[in-house]
Amino acid sequence: DQQVKQNSPSLSVQEGRISILNCDYTNSMFDYFLWYKKYPAEGPTFLISISSIKDKNEDGRFTVFLNKSAKHLSLHIVPSQPGDSAVYFCAASAIGYNFNKFYFGSGTKLNVKP
Amino acid sequence: DAGVIQSPRHEVTEMGQEVTLRCKPISGHDYLFWYRQTMMRGLELLIYFNNNVPIDDSGMPEDRFSAKMPNASFSTLKIQPSEPRDSAVYFCASSPRREGPHFGNGTRLTVT
Repeated sequence: DQQVKQNSPSLSVQEGRISILNCDYTNSMFDYFLWYKKYPAEGPTFLISISSIKDKNEDGRFTVFLNKSAKHLSLHIVPSQPGDSAVYFCAASAIGYNFNKFYFGSGTKLNVKP
Repeated sequence: DAGVIQSPRHEVTEMGQEVTLRCKPISGHDYLFWYRQTMMRGLELLIYFNNNVPIDDSGMPEDRFSAKMPNASFSTLKIQPSEPRDSAVYFCASSPRREGPHFGNGTRLTVT
């Protein structure tokens, strides 16, 4: 059973608008979360992280929000650009238990239309 | 830094054949991971090593799969015998302690 779920396989947005990618997790032990971006024929690359002591982390156009009570996190991209078109994976681990073992979701394919 | 290096990039083989995927992690990284990407299950962790020692192989689908890390700069994932359902993209990744994985560009395996 997948402990990290991305229920939207794809998302299409217009250039300049906001992209919101969602991720849910089931394991209450998870307290550290990552987002990765993946282009075709390449490996995933790290984008942004958040730990459970925060509910928001921002890096340029990318912001990750964490709602621990709902076991939900989201990645906001504002404004979206065509170069953001990629597959986005969220990942989670339990710092106190096994930090380096990350569970990944199934990914959301983002298409930003010019 | 060259990043994680995987070979081959593409592998096409017939059912029943042995397949060996190779990985060179980033120098100095303590952890090495093997992931498999499929449409249905996304990125699955198959096995990971810490300081060349296998720590958790609970994600290995069955006994046909085996992984080794004979030294800090090399790891293999072997499938014997291969089956069509093993077709997927296999990623190797490495990381230092308390950091997320750094991925290679993957090996696309097709078993006919």
